Amino acid sequence: DIQMTQSPSTLSASVGDRVTITCRASQSISSWLAWYQQKPGKAPKLLIYKASSLESGVPSRFSGSGSGTEFTLTISSLQPDDFATYYCQQYNSYFFTFGPGTKVDIK
Amino acid sequence: QVQLQESGPGLVKPSETLSLTCAVSGYSISSGYYWGWIRQPPGKGLEWIGSIYHSGSTYYNPSLKSRVTISVDTSKNQFSLKLSSVTAADTAVYYCASGYGSGSFDYWGQGTLVTVSS
Repeated sequence: DIQMTQSPSTLSASVGDRVTITCRASQSISSWLAWYQQKPGKAPKLLIYKASSLESGVPSRFSGSGSGTEFTLTISSLQPDDFATYYCQQYNSYFFTFGPGTKVDIK
Repeated sequence: QVQLQESGPGLVKPSETLSLTCAVSGYSISSGYYWGWIRQPPGKGLEWIGSIYHSGSTYYNPSLKSRVTISVDTSKNQFSLKLSSVTAADTAVYYCASGYGSGSFDYWGQGTLVTVSS
């Protein structure tokens, strides 16, 4: 099984800050990495797929990078609507695994 | 635009089987995509339960494999989850979701809370 880790688990930031979240896979997953945003009581929303492709309709302040085992999600200028929990997810040979999540809250 | 809607009992007794259905609209379930179930215990993270492909092939989380069955009903354009021998640890919001070749879940249902309790 491929295990996913995320850091930090919680991040306190202010509006306008540049925010970076890291996700690591226990073995190489090439670029099969997605990022989701989840708000309380809501379903997750896809932000980034294949490590760096921006989902249609997602603001350009979100970006993803990385390959192999290390990946990052960057929010270039944090907006009030961005306070949420972020999950990475890997896909390898038809199996999926989610990371434990990173909560971004108000500093 | 694909739309997904979960349905099923909100309360299941321990040792019984949890059964949920996901109705798909806006797309024919047999035309492609993969269809999956993901759950989230209260206050915790997301856990992939399993997926079924348009070919009919199924793949399950190894930690749940012995208790999970996912199937498709093309006549009703829906897919289903059965989880047997449930315990309180299976209490969670259950989401159905779909994706198309990107290795991600592009569309999600709103989720349904299933509580396991006597």
